[in-house]
Amino acid sequence: NAGVTQTPKFQVLKTGQSMTLQCAQDMNHNSMYWYRQDPGMGLRLIYYSASEGTTDKGEVPNGYNVSRLNKREFSLRLESAAPSQTSVYFCASSEVPSYNEQFFGPGTRLTVL
Amino acid sequence: RKEVEQDPGPFNVPEGATVAFNCTYSNSASQSFFWYRQDCRKEPKLLMSVYSSGNEDGRFTAQLNRASQYISLLIRDSKLSDSATYLCVVNPGGGADGLTFGKGTHLIIQP
Repeated sequence: NAGVTQTPKFQVLKTGQSMTLQCAQDMNHNSMYWYRQDPGMGLRLIYYSASEGTTDKGEVPNGYNVSRLNKREFSLRLESAAPSQTSVYFCASSEVPSYNEQFFGPGTRLTVL
Repeated sequence: RKEVEQDPGPFNVPEGATVAFNCTYSNSASQSFFWYRQDCRKEPKLLMSVYSSGNEDGRFTAQLNRASQYISLLIRDSKLSDSATYLCVVNPGGGADGLTFGKGTHLIIQP
């Protein structure tokens, strides 16, 4: 039981490049989330998926898109990376929406030059 | 508007001491409250949920004060391994749209 896995662990992009961050969970959770964490800012919600087949914007969705591929997988795409998107990205999942514990993946450290 | 506020610290505390943090939240309709722990360069992990009646888990005690809109975390007999950042987390509306995280309080336990 791996919990929540994320790939890649580290990534360096040039401004304007695109990439997709992958997330998968093996806990049969319904809800999945993408957060970013910046120094002095705390964790901020980018997008979430309350259940398979649905996605919604969080606090900071601009510049990102998501896909809930199936119940296990929730990907985050940066279409045209900007230096302001340099951050640590965490994927999380929960059995039901947010009033339950969220389990986090190990994070992806992204640098955009 | 800061929804969840914490003292960032750092709190430097000798091993064996008792330490307490508070956290205030702005949305009086908030329904769920948690303390998460985050080690350096790691993901957040749930430390404990915070219930209206308060709850205790070993050396850790969490309290909720709805009237004053704050939650607290008390750590007794602190260990070196307690060194971490403690995140105060609130679900403002009880819905699916994620949790609101405080910026965290950095705790350093000194030998």
